[in-house]
Amino acid sequence: KNEVEQSPQNLTAQEGEFITINCSYSVGISALHWLQQHPGGGIVSLFMLSSGKKKHGRLIATINIQEKHSSLHITASHPRDSAVYICAVRDYGGSQGNLIFGKGTKLSVKP
Amino acid sequence: DAGVIQSPRHEVTEMGQEVTLRCKPISGHNSLFWYRQTMMRGLELLIYFNNNVPIDDSGMPEDRFSAKMPNASFSTLKIQPSEPRDSAVYFCASSRDSYNEQFFGPGTRLTVL
Repeated sequence: KNEVEQSPQNLTAQEGEFITINCSYSVGISALHWLQQHPGGGIVSLFMLSSGKKKHGRLIATINIQEKHSSLHITASHPRDSAVYICAVRDYGGSQGNLIFGKGTKLSVKP
Repeated sequence: DAGVIQSPRHEVTEMGQEVTLRCKPISGHNSLFWYRQTMMRGLELLIYFNNNVPIDDSGMPEDRFSAKMPNASFSTLKIQPSEPRDSAVYFCASSRDSYNEQFFGPGTRLTVL
């Protein structure tokens, strides 16, 4: 069983829709990262959080430490949001720099 | 301000050849990470450095892989000899320290024939 599970694996939405991507993990963590990988391959860090909620523009990330679950929300989705979204956790018991990655959620937003 | 710089962007080589990937982290960042991404396994950490010192190399697949960081502004990942199963995209990332947000380079797409 993977230590970091994301759902759904693939998601197709219409422009303007509200989108939710989920991440569940099985280890104790000190932080959780959300990354965005563009169709060209580049990776951008969206959020790093260890509790509560963070917001940046149309993106919102939440985490529930007790339930070992995080969600990434995109409001008013746009075709330029089409990308792979990757959840990664820092294992509390592991070496401090070692991130464990989910397999990613491929999002396609249609105009 | 320049981000993380990787070279080459693409590398095609034949099995058995030595491959060297290069990375220049963001100035002032003390942690540097090497990742490999494949369709089958996704992103995996290979090794990371703090203040030029290797901290965790448990992800390095085998002795054919080696990484160095001779100074704060340069790191290399070497594969010798290369094999077709090493074909992947190799990313370098840096951060202020290993607890902080990581900034990724554009990656090197390696193809071993």
